[in-house]
Amino acid sequence: DIQMTQSPSTLSASVGDRVTITCRASQSISTWLAWYQQKPGKAPKLLIYKASSLESGAPSRFSGSGSGTEFTLTISSLQPDDFATYYCQQYSSYSRTFGQGTKLEIK
Amino acid sequence: EVQLLESGGGLVQPGGSLRLSCAASGFTFTNYAMSWVRQAPGKGLEWVSSIIGSGDTTYYADSVQGRFSISRDNSKDTVFLQMNSLRAEDTAIYYCAKDAHGSGWTRQDYWGRGTEVVVSS
Repeated sequence: DIQMTQSPSTLSASVGDRVTITCRASQSISTWLAWYQQKPGKAPKLLIYKASSLESGAPSRFSGSGSGTEFTLTISSLQPDDFATYYCQQYSSYSRTFGQGTKLEIK
Repeated sequence: EVQLLESGGGLVQPGGSLRLSCAASGFTFTNYAMSWVRQAPGKGLEWVSSIIGSGDTTYYADSVQGRFSISRDNSKDTVFLQMNSLRAEDTAIYYCAKDAHGSGWTRQDYWGRGTEVVVSS
């Protein structure tokens, strides 16, 4: 199975900050990568697909980049609603593995 | 509006069985693959299983292969997850999710609210 590793595991930031989360794949996945946001007690929500395509309805302050084995999710200016846990997911193979998650906390 | 409503969760003893259902609405069900993803208490997301739109092809995570079975009834816009030989480590919230395409493997663009499965004696 392809392993996905996110860093950091926890990130403390303030409203208005620019933040970046990194996701690394154990082998090349081209751009077959998605990012999800999950708030406590809620289902995940798709933000980014194919590494850099913004899902319809997702705020434009979210952006993704990368290819191969290294990817990033950037939030250009943190809003109060953005404090949540973020997961990357590869879908290069039938076994669609997730990263372990990055919890974005208020500083 | 896409809606996914899971049901069938509950408390079951180790070695027991449970059948989860997910009723879909708001899209042409047969055109899309469907998936189950679970989340153990305080843990991350784990993909469990997927089935293509026609129902002809299924995929499973190694952790559930041989114990779980996914199926769908396209006449009732419903997907199922039959879970047998349940273990304590299967305890989780089980989410039903719609795939973005009808076949192959892809992202999940809509998710249900989840149903809780607890495996305990």
